[in-house]
Amino acid sequence: EAQVTQNPRYLITVTGKKLTVTCSQNMNHEYMSWYRQDPGLGLRQIYYSMNVEVTDKGDVPEGYKVSRKEKRNFPLILESPSPNQTSLYFCASRKLDRTGELFFGEGSRLTVL
Amino acid sequence: GEDVEQSLFLSVREGDSSVINCTYTDSSSTYLYWYKQEPGAGLQLLTYIFSNMDMKQDQRLTVLLNKKDKHLSLRIADTQTGDSAIYFCAESMDSSYKLIFGSGTRLLVRP
Repeated sequence: EAQVTQNPRYLITVTGKKLTVTCSQNMNHEYMSWYRQDPGLGLRQIYYSMNVEVTDKGDVPEGYKVSRKEKRNFPLILESPSPNQTSLYFCASRKLDRTGELFFGEGSRLTVL
Repeated sequence: GEDVEQSLFLSVREGDSSVINCTYTDSSSTYLYWYKQEPGAGLQLLTYIFSNMDMKQDQRLTVLLNKKDKHLSLRIADTQTGDSAIYFCAESMDSSYKLIFGSGTRLLVRP
């Protein structure tokens, strides 16, 4: 089954404790991206990657890091989480074609105390 | 700059039609999309329209695009309780693979 898998789905942590949210896709997509969803703000892009070892900042990259060492994986790293990073996070992937359907994971709800 | 706007909330009665509206600012948008987000889930693509089209119909869904006014709408005929969800409008440009999302419209279908 074609899917984007994120882990963990739910996490409560404390300020400053490094965490990683993993993302994996099995569709051989070149493009992967992380979004955060906040009430009234919709989805905002954090980082994206067009291929292995190619990553770039989205609209709200501050406080986040990513890596793309393999095509299928695109982890999101919060080196020192803060309460304003409490949010619902989505990983997504797509082929680099014109119609560009974006496939989303089920989301990771992160709370930083 | 790029911006996509939607109203935040819509409530309709079961069996009525729903119309969700969206405005965008970038006239170079190539594709416009409607995504659906059910509770506790990620977004799923409902339909999309290429910028040189005015209308696209897919079963109960009708997408209308007014390129002059930069206005996109999604009409759901015979709305069912299972249509209750958040609907996101999004645009993309030919020069970029980035999708710009609106803030989402929460559709509530009353029995």
